[in-house]
Amino acid sequence: GAVVSQHPSRVICKSGTSVKIECRSLDFQATTMFWYRQFPKKSLMLMATSNEGSKATYEQGVEKDKFLINHASLTLSTLTVTSAHPEDSSFYICSLTGSDEKLFFGSGTQLSVL
Amino acid sequence: GDSVTQMEGPVTLSEEAFLTINCTYTATGYPSLFWYVQYPGEGLQLLLKATKADDKGSNKGFEATYRKETTSFHLEKGSVQVSDSAVYFCALSPAGNKLTFGGGTRVLVKP
Repeated sequence: GAVVSQHPSRVICKSGTSVKIECRSLDFQATTMFWYRQFPKKSLMLMATSNEGSKATYEQGVEKDKFLINHASLTLSTLTVTSAHPEDSSFYICSLTGSDEKLFFGSGTQLSVL
Repeated sequence: GDSVTQMEGPVTLSEEAFLTINCTYTATGYPSLFWYVQYPGEGLQLLLKATKADDKGSNKGFEATYRKETTSFHLEKGSVQVSDSAVYFCALSPAGNKLTFGGGTRVLVKP
């Protein structure tokens, strides 16, 4: 069964609003979490890496004030897209790893900003 | 920087057909190579991996061989089933769990 729960699976919002995406590990402690973004017909691009209790490390070109990542506990990480605009429309996916370094992925969130 | 290129889909096949999805990569050093599969409505799952040159990863009838000389990691399956319909991602990792992905290839197997 699924070990990672990502919600929502699909969200449509108006330009200027903020959207929060949750990623939960269901039966293990996720020490490191990764957030990816995929544009249509493009690769999954790593946005940021976060370790529990510390600030996220963002990849070059990713706006940290735009994409707020909170890794508040060993089972939950959130990605908030602030003041979303149509160019933020994309597929976002989280992945988690625990002490055994096995990597698990969420099912992804399709964000559409009107 | 590192990059992964895989064939664009969709790839449409009949059941029991032979499947090949090409994947080539650019990286410094000797990364580990992976194939991930995403079934409809689910997260990515590791399908197989290879950690050094000439290694062959295999799982569920799928195989891929780490070819350093051609910087490739093509995915093959001799006889596909309808249940193999999914999106397949090739990826590399120089170290740890930081992955660089290809764009994904959608495979549709018709009965």
